[in-house]
Amino acid sequence: EDKVVQSPLSLVVHEGDTVTLNCSYEVTNFRSLLWYKQEKKAPTFLFMLTSSGIEKKSGRLSSILDKKELFSILNITATQTGDSAVYLCAAGRTYKYIFGTGTRLKVLA
Amino acid sequence: EAGVTQFPSHSVIEKGQTVTLRCDPISGHDNLYWYRRVMGKEIKFLLHFVKESKQDESGMPNNRFLAERTGGTYSTLKVQPAELEDSGVYFCASSLATGPWAGELFFGEGSRLTVL
Repeated sequence: EDKVVQSPLSLVVHEGDTVTLNCSYEVTNFRSLLWYKQEKKAPTFLFMLTSSGIEKKSGRLSSILDKKELFSILNITATQTGDSAVYLCAAGRTYKYIFGTGTRLKVLA
Repeated sequence: EAGVTQFPSHSVIEKGQTVTLRCDPISGHDNLYWYRRVMGKEIKFLLHFVKESKQDESGMPNNRFLAERTGGTYSTLKVQPAELEDSGVYFCASSLATGPWAGELFFGEGSRLTVL
């Protein structure tokens, strides 16, 4: 059965810290992996990864995919209180994505 | 540009009643998806429309759930009759992709359903 596992489940850090969120997957006919940030309601898109070893960056956030070892990481450097959210990972084949349960990040001032 | 909109944001009904959730995707997005999160669990796929056609409804829990997308624009998800285990947040998403995979999904804020 397809599955996506995220770790840690939750994380509390102080502003300025760097965090690494993990996502491992087992999805038949894997095509792409998505990262989302969910603060209150709608998950907002962060990255889409389809190729191994190519880092995607957006400001203080970056992500990379390893298709051999079947995992992805999301890095956030110099964390801010506004980074507090649930971070979701989803691995997909064709048009169906399998989601992990998310990592809840809390950044303290 | 308007995002994905869902209505209602929260619905409280009694077991056995009927509820209809509506989703308006981003204009021009042919792909529309319904996902659901029940408390404490991950977001799970329900079904996928391309325009008005159901492409994959493998995630629909049972025949009490009926999704439609007449005219290929907005979609409705009806639960009839609702059961306690149907409580959760129902997310709608849309995507523009026309290739072999979905690409980026744009999510609505979700419709929270509480069945008493």
